Amino acid sequence: EVQLLESGGGLVQPGGSLRLSCAASGFTFTNYAMNWVRQAPGKGLEWVSTISYSGYSTYYADSVKGRFTISRDSSKNTLYLQLNSLRAEDSAVYYCAREEVGFDYWGQGTLVTVSP
Amino acid sequence: SYELTQPPSVSVAPGETARISCGGSNIGGKSVHWYQQKPGQAPVLVIYYDSDRPSGIPERFSGSNSGNTATLTIIRVEAGDEADYYCQVLDRSDHLWVFGRGTKLTVL
Repeated sequence: EVQLLESGGGLVQPGGSLRLSCAASGFTFTNYAMNWVRQAPGKGLEWVSTISYSGYSTYYADSVKGRFTISRDSSKNTLYLQLNSLRAEDSAVYYCAREEVGFDYWGQGTLVTVSP
Repeated sequence: SYELTQPPSVSVAPGETARISCGGSNIGGKSVHWYQQKPGQAPVLVIYYDSDRPSGIPERFSGSNSGNTATLTIIRVEAGDEADYYCQVLDRSDHLWVFGRGTKLTVL
């Protein structure tokens, strides 16, 4: 059974940093590109970042480029998102999602709140 | 950047047919994926590559895509279909994924 389990969310001050993790199981992690998608309270889905199956290619939404870094550790079957220079508008539930035909599996999300 | 336009809300009576549109410039030339999200839950892929259904998704869900509009169609709508629905495409020029703003389906 495919499972994606996010962790690392929490309350952080503006300008602060956080690292999110997504532990993957039930599939061959190195065969799939992975993504982060976020959803601010009461708002729609916003794609944040993609990392290729090999980890060599990464892509970012303009809203986070230069502040967030996606990475993966195949030895741990884990996806990461490093969030730096956080702003209030980064407050959201962050989901990791496996990419095959569209985003076919999603985790349950981890909440990030940026507030003084 | 590429934009997708969805109606904020669609309402249908149980047993009727719901159609949710997703507009974009020449969207017919792109592959469209659709997601269902119920309150407090993660999104679920319900249609991929315009019209294919993942295993476990009822045949009542179908999709089409042509010209400047993609459409998610749900026939014989049930109370359990009430959710937010999002369309998604890949803007290949920058490898950026784009979501529509979502449509809230209300079952009357």
